Amino acid sequence: EVQLVESGGGLVKPGGSLRLSCAASGFTFSSYTMHWVRQAPGKGLEWVSSISTGSNNIHYADSVKGRFTISRDNAKNSLFLQINSLRAEDSAVYFCVRGQLEYFWGQGTLVTVSS
Amino acid sequence: NFMLTQPHSVSESPGKTVTISCTRSSGSIASDFVQWFQQRPGSSPTTVIYEDNQRPSGVPDRFSGSIDSSSNSASLTISGLKTEDEADYYCQSYDNTNQIFGGGTKLTVL
Repeated sequence: EVQLVESGGGLVKPGGSLRLSCAASGFTFSSYTMHWVRQAPGKGLEWVSSISTGSNNIHYADSVKGRFTISRDNAKNSLFLQINSLRAEDSAVYFCVRGQLEYFWGQGTLVTVSS
Repeated sequence: NFMLTQPHSVSESPGKTVTISCTRSSGSIASDFVQWFQQRPGSSPTTVIYEDNQRPSGVPDRFSGSIDSSSNSASLTISGLKTEDEADYYCQSYDNTNQIFGGGTKLTVL
């Protein structure tokens, strides 16, 4: 069974940092492009970042470029998102998503940016 | 980057058929695969259609996807509507580097 379990969210002050993690199981993690997608409360889905299987192709939404860093550890079946210089508008549930063919979503981790 | 435009909401009665459109603003809808996700309240999205018209195992055949080059749009059709189909539906595609989501359509089954 495919499972994606996110962690690392929480309440952080503006300007602060968090590191989100996603533990993958039930599939060959190293064979899939992975994404982070976020959803602000009551809003739609917003793509944040993508990373290819070997980490050689990495892309970011303009809204997070320069502040967020995506990475992966294929040996540990894990995906990460380092988020710095947080703003109120970054408050959202962050989903780890397996790309290619049938996309599969984790349950999400909530990031709240507030003073 | 292009945009994907969906109707904000649609409603239909149980047992009927509903179609949700997703119109691409520039470039051909046929040039990149379209996915459709269902998101019930309080839950994560799940894939109901991938690669334009492919249905994951476990998704009932009441769900179907198509693309129409003449209108440059993709469509999700749900037949034999059930109350459990009430959810938000998002289309998604991609360009070379970015994943693009439609704004979502709230389906009400009443």
